[in-house]
Amino acid sequence: EADIYQTPRYLVIGTGKKITLECSQTMGHDKMYWYQQDPGMELHLIHYSYGVNSTEKGDLSSESTVSRIRTEHFPLTLESARPSHTSQYLCASSRTQPHTDTQYFGPGTRLTVL
Amino acid sequence: KNQVEQSPQSLIILEGKNCTLQCNYTVSPFSNLRWYKQDTGRGPVSLTIMTFSENTKSNGRYTATLDADTKQSSLHITASQLSDSASYICVVSDRGSTLGRLYFGRGTQLTVWP
Repeated sequence: EADIYQTPRYLVIGTGKKITLECSQTMGHDKMYWYQQDPGMELHLIHYSYGVNSTEKGDLSSESTVSRIRTEHFPLTLESARPSHTSQYLCASSRTQPHTDTQYFGPGTRLTVL
Repeated sequence: KNQVEQSPQSLIILEGKNCTLQCNYTVSPFSNLRWYKQDTGRGPVSLTIMTFSENTKSNGRYTATLDADTKQSSLHITASQLSDSASYICVVSDRGSTLGRLYFGRGTQLTVWP
């Protein structure tokens, strides 16, 4: 069982609200990632971090932002939620580079924007 | 076009039966291939990882094969159980960039009936 946690698990919110999805891991991993996943579709990388104060945008353009002030914590923020942001958001971490090491995923946050 | 294609999209089998899931990829240069299991509403969990030189790897009732020449992989599940009902995702990583990009398939949704 991976020690990576996400809160909240489910969130229903109105358009225009600011939200923060929390992700934390206790494995001491330097590398952390955020993915977006729609039903029946592949995971898309939206943000990643190689360590404290390091953040990069992923393959899929996203209006969200991330921060990495502590190794174990990698929150994702949407300043103004819209219905198009409705999706499942998965956080992951790995010890080294993703092409050489297994990524451990959190349980996900199911976001619905009305 | 997705560089990782999985088939079938969905599959229903009876408890106790075997099944085989397919993954074809075009990712190059190839680094490794992973199979993940994703239960509904949860994050993916790694089942197997195979590098270029490996052509089979087992994890309990799960056996993965890799043919790097034809760029095909399969996941064979033996004596299926109800708990095997999940989405099985094939993930291929390249070694052509510092990030070591991951390419995700859309998954095969397996349902095991009693």
